[in-house]
Amino acid sequence: KAGVTQTPRYLIKTRGQQVTLSCSPISGHRSVSWYQQTPGQGLQFLFEYFSETQRNKGNFPGRFSGRQFSNSRSEMNVSTLELGDSALYLCASSLGGTHGAEKLFFGSGTQLSVL
Amino acid sequence: TQLLEQSPQFLSIQEGENLTVYCNSSSVFSSLQWYRQEPGEGPVLLVTVVTGGEVKKLKRLTFQFGDARKDSSLHITAAQPGDTGLYLCAGAGAYQFYFGTGTSLTVIP
Repeated sequence: KAGVTQTPRYLIKTRGQQVTLSCSPISGHRSVSWYQQTPGQGLQFLFEYFSETQRNKGNFPGRFSGRQFSNSRSEMNVSTLELGDSALYLCASSLGGTHGAEKLFFGSGTQLSVL
Repeated sequence: TQLLEQSPQFLSIQEGENLTVYCNSSSVFSSLQWYRQEPGEGPVLLVTVVTGGEVKKLKRLTFQFGDARKDSSLHITAAQPGDTGLYLCAGAGAYQFYFGTGTSLTVIP
């Protein structure tokens, strides 16, 4: 079956602009998580959605927001972009159980560059 | 913040050598996972360990979960160029995973 699809693959924006990233999870997966990856900070958790509800949120400013639709597809939005927002944004889908053995399947990511 | 420290941060070895990557934390995790990430791609799950003291083998890779469920190790036997990549450990939290700082492995043919 198809994997996790993230679009766009690459994005170049300027400071102050906003951006919307999209993630289509594996069919049947109801949980979508978003992570920011940078060389200095590694993978940092942004938020997790399950059945259109945000269940957890990481320590990011309110400029970072997300949502999930009824078909489990998810979007994240970053407003008023800053240079430090340049990163690889990864989406991961999973079945959505609460057990610690949940398996994450990652997309290839969206590489965002803020100039 | 549940911090997972990995060591070493960088590792460059010759094909055929053995290596061990460590993942340590002061926090207890219900489970711990290991991922490998190649350039331009997302991380791919290698294994999940759940029980303290558990050892899992995946071909030439051996994963161990510490007895206290605070640390883990990944041992690769007879490394191959195809093992090159970024290795990440991740501890399970409430609806999120806490990722380690990563170990970048290069296997030279």
